[in-house]
Amino acid sequence: AQTVTQSQPEMSVQEAETVTLSCTYDTSESDYYLFWYKQPPSRQMILVIRQEAYKQQNATENRFSVNFQKAAKSFSLKISDSQLGDAAMYFCAYRAYTGTASKLTFGTGTRLQVTL
Amino acid sequence: NAGVMQNPRHLVRRRGQEARLRCSPMKGHSHVYWYRQLPEEGLKFMVYLQKENIIDESGMPKERFSAEFPKEGPSILRIQQVVRGDSAAYFCASSPRGGTEAFFGQGTRLTVV
Repeated sequence: AQTVTQSQPEMSVQEAETVTLSCTYDTSESDYYLFWYKQPPSRQMILVIRQEAYKQQNATENRFSVNFQKAAKSFSLKISDSQLGDAAMYFCAYRAYTGTASKLTFGTGTRLQVTL
Repeated sequence: NAGVMQNPRHLVRRRGQEARLRCSPMKGHSHVYWYRQLPEEGLKFMVYLQKENIIDESGMPKERFSAEFPKEGPSILRIQQVVRGDSAAYFCASSPRGGTEAFFGQGTRLTVV
């Protein structure tokens, strides 16, 4: 079974600084998707960024980028120029590539605080 | 195009009552997923449905929980004889087909008193 591990329950970053959230996963599959979701206090799950395992290039979305290390099964999220609105829970998630195995497997989350 | 709609947003039930949670997927989406989030935890997969079919229910508790997605109308997650341990946020997500991007609703927070 696939597992996703986030070893940092809480992180803190100053406004305008950079922070990296860690995620490791375990799978026997060679093709899959990885995601980072943001959950603010409103509880809405917001997709931040996604990575296809077959792509070597790391995904980037504005201030958000990932460091995807397939061999190490590591998928960290870097937030640059942090803003107060980035404060939220961040969840790393895994999904198999195709077929009926379309469910997401989530980590336990990292609570990010952004300070002035 | 409205997003995934879940209602109610908040639901309070006494122990032993039934809880019905509704999810209307995005227009054109025929695949629905239900997840449960216990306090201070990540989301855990419960069940994956297509119209009139349960595709994967490997995350559903064996008793008291059931889900359906009829040909017409919303998907329903039903919890019978609720207990305090059922208190959680329940999220629904939908996608146009399996293996594609899923979009989440805002969740229903169930409180059992």
